[in-house]
Amino acid sequence: AQSVTQPDIHITVSEGASLELRCNYSYGATPYLFWYVQSPGQGLQLLLKYFSGDTLVQGIKGFEAEFKRSQSSFNLRKPSVHWSDAAEYFCAVGAPDSWGKLQFGAGTQVVVTP
Amino acid sequence: NAGVTQTPKFRILKIGQSMTLQCTQDMNHNYMYWYRQDPGMGLKLIYYSVGAGITDKGEVPNGYNVSRSTTEDFPLRLELAAPSQTSVYFCASSREGRTDTQYFGPGTRLTVL
Repeated sequence: AQSVTQPDIHITVSEGASLELRCNYSYGATPYLFWYVQSPGQGLQLLLKYFSGDTLVQGIKGFEAEFKRSQSSFNLRKPSVHWSDAAEYFCAVGAPDSWGKLQFGAGTQVVVTP
Repeated sequence: NAGVTQTPKFRILKIGQSMTLQCTQDMNHNYMYWYRQDPGMGLKLIYYSVGAGITDKGEVPNGYNVSRSTTEDFPLRLELAAPSQTSVYFCASSREGRTDTQYFGPGTRLTVL
């Protein structure tokens, strides 16, 4: 069974600084990988996803993520954070041989300071 | 398009009461899902449906029931509510499974006292 770990529960970053959120997965083959964002009081919104091909994936809101097979990682990055990026971020893993069931990480809470 | 809508937004139940959480999507999606979100635990799948009349259990189905009589609606039923069911519940839908984006509703915050 697949699993996903987000090692950082909470990250504080200054506005304008860069951001990197870590995600590690456990799966026998290359899984489908997703990053979702949850703003306060809202449902989740997809930022980006990876299935195959180019290992650097561009998403919405200026986010990108890089798949590294050797490290079983799919880290999310943004070069310059805006105050509106304060939210909780979830990495999710799906097995290619499944119907679409996702395993979500515990989430990383991002706080943006002025 | 309203997307995925959920009602109610908030609810307080007493132990042993029952209720139905409503979920409707207007995107003609085949797949629908119910998740619960507990602090520090991420989202756990309760039930899912791949089309009208077809449902199956997810990771944490105990204490819940679902039905899917139409493409649009996927209600979640709580029978004999327990404090362990205090959580935020999210409904989601996708056009298909596997690689497709899941679209989430705004959630229902349920407290069982």
